[in-house]
Amino acid sequence: EAQVTQNPRYLITVTGKKLTVTCSQNMNHEYMSWYRQDPGLGLRQIYYSMNVEVTDKGDVPEGYKVSRKEKRNFPLILESPSPNQTSLYFCASSSRTGTSNQPQHFGDGTRLSIL
Amino acid sequence: ELKVEQNPLFLSMQEGKNYTIYCNYSTTSDRLYWYRQDPGKSLESLFVLLSNGAVKQEGRLMASLDTKARLSTLHITAAVHDLSATYFCAVVVWSGAGSYQLTFGKGTKLSVIP
Repeated sequence: EAQVTQNPRYLITVTGKKLTVTCSQNMNHEYMSWYRQDPGLGLRQIYYSMNVEVTDKGDVPEGYKVSRKEKRNFPLILESPSPNQTSLYFCASSSRTGTSNQPQHFGDGTRLSIL
Repeated sequence: ELKVEQNPLFLSMQEGKNYTIYCNYSTTSDRLYWYRQDPGKSLESLFVLLSNGAVKQEGRLMASLDTKARLSTLHITAAVHDLSATYFCAVVVWSGAGSYQLTFGKGTKLSVIP
């Protein structure tokens, strides 16, 4: 089954304790991306990656890091989490665009609470 | 910076009625997506609009794109309760070498009441 898998689904942690949210896709997609969703703000893009070892900042990259060492994985790293990073996070992937009309496939989301 | 504005943000409509959700964006783009999100769930792709004048229909939903006006619409025909959800438009901005950013509107929360 084609899917984007995020782990963990829920996490409560404390300020300053480094954490990683993993994202893996099994569709051989080139493009992967992270978003955060906050009430009243919609989804905002954090980082995206068009290929292995290529990452770009989205609209809200501050406080986050990503890496793309393999095509299927795109982890989101919070080196020193703060309460304002409490949010619902989504990972998404899609095939390379150009003439492709494929939309992004989204994972089930990770609800992060930072105390 | 690209701005994507959806309106209305909240919509309560009766079953059987028609209505339109609007998505305006502030910079040139030739690609726009519509997504649906049910409470507590992930996003589900509804439509991909690739060019000016594109129109797509699925059931009671029809989406269109006018790239010159920088406007997309999502039209709901004869609403039913199952359409209650939050609908997002998302606009592509190319950032070179085939890569792109995706900017979402804030979403329209639709409630269809009997």
